[in-house]
Amino acid sequence: GNSVTQMEGPVTLSEEAFLTINCTYTATGYPSLFWYVQYPGEGLQLLLKATKADDKGSNKGFEATYRKETTSFHLEKGSVQVSDSAVYFCALSGTDGGGNKLTFGTGTQLKVEL
Amino acid sequence: DAGITQSPRHKVTETGTPVTLRCHQTENHRYMYWYRQDPGHGLRLIHYSYGVKDTDKGEVSDGYSVSRSKTEDFLLTLESATSSQTSVYFCAVKGGPWGDTQYFGPGTRLTVL
Repeated sequence: GNSVTQMEGPVTLSEEAFLTINCTYTATGYPSLFWYVQYPGEGLQLLLKATKADDKGSNKGFEATYRKETTSFHLEKGSVQVSDSAVYFCALSGTDGGGNKLTFGTGTQLKVEL
Repeated sequence: DAGITQSPRHKVTETGTPVTLRCHQTENHRYMYWYRQDPGHGLRLIHYSYGVKDTDKGEVSDGYSVSRSKTEDFLLTLESATSSQTSVYFCAVKGGPWGDTQYFGPGTRLTVL
């Protein structure tokens, strides 16, 4: 079946540091890949997505590239801010029918300090 | 926010009691989903709906049932709540400006004592 593996957190960075959160996946076919962000006490917000190999999703300074050869979709940001502190979830949308169900990773908590 | 509301937002109940959570959407989305979020597990799909009266199971459906009698409402029922169902429950819809993407409601925190 489909699965998503994310790096363990929490990740603690100083403001303006470079961020990488690793995400790898296992899936049949050609899934779409997503990053969602969850701020404390809130629901999940879509951060970015990519639908095919070599696509780069980007939003709010975050980027991730769909790498089929390494089955990865790592999240990066060049300079993090305190306001980026949140939990980040990598997810894939299956291609096996059934309403494009999402399979999530376990989430990575990011803490950004001054 | 894709016009999704969930009610109640918080609930504390006792083991063995029935509980119903409601998801309401205002944008006529066909697909709706219920997930639960637990530490160390991310989000896991409980049930989903692909139209009025059309539902199917997800990976953690045991102990849950759903109903969708009209497009805008998707109900999740715990027939007899257990402590293992203490969780945060999220509703989602598929659609939005990015196409085939799921958008989430604010969540319901359920505690079963």
